[in-house]
Amino acid sequence: AQSVAQPEDQVNVAEGNPLTVKCTYSVSGNPYLFWYVQYPNRGLQFLLKYITGDNLVKGSYGFEAEFNKSQTSFHLKKPSALVSDSALYFCAVRGSGTYKYIFGTGTRLKVLA
Amino acid sequence: DSGVTQTPKHLITATGQRVTLRCSPRSGDLSVYWYQQSLDQGLQFLIQYYNGEERAKGNILERFSAQQFPDLHSELNLSSLELGDSALYFCASSASVGADTQYFGPGTRLTVL
Repeated sequence: AQSVAQPEDQVNVAEGNPLTVKCTYSVSGNPYLFWYVQYPNRGLQFLLKYITGDNLVKGSYGFEAEFNKSQTSFHLKKPSALVSDSALYFCAVRGSGTYKYIFGTGTRLKVLA
Repeated sequence: DSGVTQTPKHLITATGQRVTLRCSPRSGDLSVYWYQQSLDQGLQFLIQYYNGEERAKGNILERFSAQQFPDLHSELNLSSLELGDSALYFCASSASVGADTQYFGPGTRLTVL
């Protein structure tokens, strides 16, 4: 069965500091991995995805994520956090043998000025 | 603005009733996805259609059904509503199936009283 875990409900980071939002997954076959962000009272917005190729994926708004096959992880990172990055972040996964997407429970990122 | 439209924005109804939520995908997108977001369940994938055909089914109750019409818009029908069905319902679209980025609509907030 597919699953995705976001172990932290909330992450607090000071503005200008690097941030990491964690995600681990379990799928059959090769994983397709995604990060989405949700601002208050809005739908989700795509940040980045890993399908194949380079393990370091660069996305929107300066975010990047590293695919680690041995650790089955896909952590979201940003070198320098902005207050405007404060939002709810979702990791999602789909295994290569299915069209079902599984979303994590979300991690609330709070960037403190 | 993602280009995905959902109507209505808000819906208040009573237990036992039936409602229909409507979604228009981005121009050119063939795939439509439905999700339910609630506080206790997080973001749950319900169902996916591709060019009118059901492609994947997630945690969709038997009381819920969906379809995608020839003009590619989709409707999610919820019947015999219960208090626990109160949630945000999101529609997303993508160009095809599989590894494509999903573009989310603003959601329909359903309140069952």
